[in-house]
Amino acid sequence: EDQVTQSPEALRLQEGESSSLNCSYTVSGLRGLFWYRQDPGKGPEFLFTLYSAGEEKEKERLKATLTKKESFLHITAPKPEDSATYLCAPDPGANNLFFGTGTRLTVIP
Amino acid sequence: DAGVTQSPTHLIKTRGQHVTLRCSPISGHKSVSWYQQVLGQGPQFIFQYYEKEERGRGNFPDRFSARQFPNYSSELNVNALLLGDSALYLCASSLDVYEQYFGPGTRLTVT
Repeated sequence: EDQVTQSPEALRLQEGESSSLNCSYTVSGLRGLFWYRQDPGKGPEFLFTLYSAGEEKEKERLKATLTKKESFLHITAPKPEDSATYLCAPDPGANNLFFGTGTRLTVIP
Repeated sequence: DAGVTQSPTHLIKTRGQHVTLRCSPISGHKSVSWYQQVLGQGPQFIFQYYEKEERGRGNFPDRFSARQFPNYSSELNVNALLLGDSALYLCASSLDVYEQYFGPGTRLTVT
């Protein structure tokens, strides 16, 4: 059975304090893994797609990496505007995304 | 370019009623997917349509149905509403069936 677990559930960081979010997955036939950012009451905003183990992608203060069992979202020197819920979604190749419950990030000025 | 649009923004319905939610994809995108997001959870897949044909269906009861029109817009219909159907309903569009871009969602409250 496909499973995805995100940790921690919530994370509070001081502005400038770097950290990583974890996405552990068990998905047969992984076709890709997606990261999204979601602000309260809004739709998820696309961040990255990772297709194979060892792949890395960067965007501003964010860097996503992928292994065969996990993906990490590294946040370097975060700012208050980075506060949001970060969702990962493995794609098992079944024409849908299988979302985790997310990590709620709060960056304190 | 306009992103994915959804209507209405908010909706309040009574148990047993029927609801129709609408979605317009990004121009040029031919695939539309629907997700249900309950508070505190990640989005859960309901349907995917590509070129007006159903390409995937999640684990939802038959009370949920959808269709895609020739202009690639889509409707999600839910019959015999239950309190547990209260959620944020998200529509996502993609050029083929990958890299899905989400709309702002429709907040449905069932009383």
